[in-house]
Amino acid sequence: AQSVTQLDSQVPVFEEAPVELRCNYSSSVSVYLFWYVQYPNQGLQLLLKYLSGSTLVKGINGFEAEFNKSQTSFHLRKPSVHISDTAEYFCAVMENNAGNMLTFGGGTRLMVKP
Amino acid sequence: ETGVTQTPRHLVMGMTNKKSLKCEQHLGHNAMYWYKQSAKKPLELMFVYNFKEQTENNSVPSRFSPECPNSSHLFLHLHTLQPEDSALYLCASSQGRIDYGYTFGSGTRLTVV
Repeated sequence: AQSVTQLDSQVPVFEEAPVELRCNYSSSVSVYLFWYVQYPNQGLQLLLKYLSGSTLVKGINGFEAEFNKSQTSFHLRKPSVHISDTAEYFCAVMENNAGNMLTFGGGTRLMVKP
Repeated sequence: ETGVTQTPRHLVMGMTNKKSLKCEQHLGHNAMYWYKQSAKKPLELMFVYNFKEQTENNSVPSRFSPECPNSSHLFLHLHTLQPEDSALYLCASSQGRIDYGYTFGSGTRLTVV
């Protein structure tokens, strides 16, 4: 069965600084990878996804992520964050034989300071 | 508006009460999910319905009872809950295709007193 680890529970960063949120997964089969964002008092919103092809994927709000198969990682990055990026970010994995079932990591709270 | 609507947004209930959470989607999706989100814990998948049939029950206590009368509606019936059941309950739906991902509702914040 797959599992997802988000190593940092909280990441504080100053506005306009770059940020990387780390995600590692484990699986014995090929996977599809997702990042979701949750703003306060809201549900989860899809940021970006990796299904196949180019390992660098771009999403909404200027975020991007890179799939690294050898390191089983899918880290999320943004070159310059805004106050409005303050939220909880979840990495998720779906095995290609899992019947469309998503497994989520524990989440990383990104706190952007002025 | 995300396309998945959950009501109520907030619910406070006593341990002897019976209440229901409602989820509705008109996206034409054929799969619906209940997740529990507790503080400092990962999202926990509770139930999955595909084409109105329950296909996953992730060892959820019987005090939680799901119902899916049609592919657009999903309910979570609650009775004799415990304070540790206080959490954000999220509903999601999907097309059943990997590249579409899930669409989430805004959740119901449940407090058991």
